[in-house]
Amino acid sequence: GQSLEQPSEVTAVEGAIVQINCTYQTSGFYGLSWYQQHDGGAPTFLSYNALDGLEETGRFSSFLSRSDSYGYLLLQELQMKDSASYFCAVNQAYSGAGSYQLTFGKGTKLSVIP
Amino acid sequence: ETGVTQTPRHLVMGMTNKKSLKCEQHLGHNAMYWYKQSAKKPLELMFVYSLEERVENNSVPSRFSPECPNSSHLFLHLHTLQPEDSALYLCASSLSSGTRDTGELFFGEGSRLTVL
Repeated sequence: GQSLEQPSEVTAVEGAIVQINCTYQTSGFYGLSWYQQHDGGAPTFLSYNALDGLEETGRFSSFLSRSDSYGYLLLQELQMKDSASYFCAVNQAYSGAGSYQLTFGKGTKLSVIP
Repeated sequence: ETGVTQTPRHLVMGMTNKKSLKCEQHLGHNAMYWYKQSAKKPLELMFVYSLEERVENNSVPSRFSPECPNSSHLFLHLHTLQPEDSALYLCASSLSSGTRDTGELFFGEGSRLTVL
C-alpha cells in the first residue's frame, strides 16, 4: 500500500521559520510535491523534489531524502498570508501508457499569528 | 484565473437527481483528473484521463461517471448520489509526461457538492 504522514496542524509567529515534515511509504516513487491551499481556493503547486537535497524558491524551500522516505517544506519570514493548508504528494507511476499520479497527504493546517 | 475552470461552483442535489460537473482547461494539457476532497481526509484521486483515454479509475462507485470528449473538457456525471458524497470535487490538468518531471498539477477551484 501507500501512505503519507504529515502533522495535522502547526502554529507559528509572523516573521518566524516553520518546517512541515512529510514521511511516505509507496512504490514506484518518482518525487515529492508540495501544494498550498487557502480556504475556499484551489490547491496551488509550490515545489517538487525528484532528487535528494534542498530546492529553494524564494521564502519557500523543500527537501527530500529518498533513502529515508522523508521530505519537508520550510517556510521562512512567515507572513499572515501564509496561513493555509499545505499538502505533500508523492508522484508515482501506475499501470497505463506512461501515466503518473499524485497521491496526497491529509494536509497540514498552518496558522500564522501576529 | 488558474487556467482550469469548473462549473458550477456550488451544487445542491437530491439523491434521485442527475447532474453534471464540468471542467475546462486552457493550458494545452493532455491529461485531466478528478479528485474528491472531504473534510479531514486527503485528496482522493477518482479518475485520470490521458490523451482522452481513461487510464485510472480508483474504485469509484458507478454513480459517478466521467466523460472526456476532448483534451480540454472533462465532465463528471452524477446520479443517485448519497449524502456521504457531499464534498469538494476538484478538477486538475497536466501534461501527461510532465507530471513525472515536474510533479505539477493545475487545479480548478472546485465544485462544492451537497447531497440532501
